[in-house]
Amino acid sequence: SQELEQSPQSLIVQEGKNLTINCTSSKTLYGLYWYKQKYGEGLIFLMMLQKGGEEKSHEKITAKLDEKKQQSSLHITASQPSHAGIYLCGAPGSSNTGKLIFGQGTTLQVKP
Amino acid sequence: DTEVTQTPKHLVMGMTNKKSLKCEQHMGHRAMYWYKQKAKKPPELMFVYSYEKLSINESVPSRFSPECPNSSLLNLHLHALQPEDSALYLCASSWEGDYNEQFFGPGTRLTVL
Repeated sequence: SQELEQSPQSLIVQEGKNLTINCTSSKTLYGLYWYKQKYGEGLIFLMMLQKGGEEKSHEKITAKLDEKKQQSSLHITASQPSHAGIYLCGAPGSSNTGKLIFGQGTTLQVKP
Repeated sequence: DTEVTQTPKHLVMGMTNKKSLKCEQHMGHRAMYWYKQKAKKPPELMFVYSYEKLSINESVPSRFSPECPNSSLLNLHLHALQPEDSALYLCASSWEGDYNEQFFGPGTRLTVL
């Protein structure tokens, strides 16, 4: 079965700094989702990437999908305290079932 | 309306109690999901409903009983739970098939005493 590994597991950055979170798959990635979660709350959809080489941006967050490396990266520019939370990558677990499997998550703290 | 609502927000129950979790969406989605999330772990899929029919049961114990009364509602009936079932229960909905983002509700924090 497919597994997603995220790195780093946790990250503490100073406000204004850039950062990158990686998600590596054990199998070929045909699509990847990024979600953000505040502790004890629901998941907020950030972006979905479907094609190799695809790059999407939303405000100060950019995500890329490298199909060959079976990897996606999430980059935050000029981090703010509002970016703090748990970032989860997710991928379809099996074809056309809607099932999502998730990486273990990356906890981000942004120090003012 | 792009919101998935869940009630209650918090639930404390004994091992002999029967309770239900409720989830509602009005986006016209025909796929609905229940996930279980333990502390510091990612969500794990429990059930998938597609067009109001159960399509996936991830080998969930029978003390959890899902129900989809109509296309907007999803329930999770709980009976004879164990303390290890304490977790955040998340509901999600999406359009059918892969590569459609799942919209998540805020979750129900369940504590089993």
